[in-house]
Amino acid sequence: AQKVTQAQTEISVVEKEDVTLDCVYETRDTTYYLFWYKQPPSGELVFLIRRNSFDEQNEISGRYSWNFQKSTSSFNFTITASQVVDSAVYFCALHPDQAGTALIFGKGTTLSVSS
Amino acid sequence: GAVVSQHPSRVICKSGTSVKIECRSLDFQATTMFWYRQFPKQSLMLMATSNEGSKATYEQGVEKDKFLINHASLTLSTLTVTSAHPEDSSFYICSANGYPGASTADTQYFGPGTRLTVL
Repeated sequence: AQKVTQAQTEISVVEKEDVTLDCVYETRDTTYYLFWYKQPPSGELVFLIRRNSFDEQNEISGRYSWNFQKSTSSFNFTITASQVVDSAVYFCALHPDQAGTALIFGKGTTLSVSS
Repeated sequence: GAVVSQHPSRVICKSGTSVKIECRSLDFQATTMFWYRQFPKQSLMLMATSNEGSKATYEQGVEKDKFLINHASLTLSTLTVTSAHPEDSSFYICSANGYPGASTADTQYFGPGTRLTVL
């Protein structure tokens, strides 16, 4: 079975704190893609990152960083020095190695950053 | 970058009426489009997968006669909610994949969503 688990339902932090959103996935495919999306209150999904299963390099983009660990089937997302504008729902998703298949989403983590 | 649009962004209708939602890939050809539904404070739930020129594949529990999907061209898919009822009120999101081998093949591009309210 293919599955994405985001164990943290809600996280609340104060501005400037660092926060890590966890994502654990299950798949038997050797080739797959992992994604993170941000969904602000407006509802539109904002693409943050795509990582394929053969690329275990961690990535940093500004205040955002991602840690992909195949050994633990995890793809965690860290926001450094959080800001109020980071408040949103964050979804981790898995794309199986099969053309024409949909993303498998986790349940999402609601991040609230207060000033 | 690849852009997917949805129209309308918001619709309010009376119970019993039908509502059509359009999903367009603006700058790429989408062989496959997906329709998701999202209830408040929940994740996206896949409703159906539609391939251009063929019948949509519906997920278990989704009524194909109620949620009509048409993917008549490589850039347009429509979702029609027939005889809508208040329980159909939700946020509907489409996404699209490009041709296998194209730069748009490996990422799903999401539309901005349509918020449907049935009174």
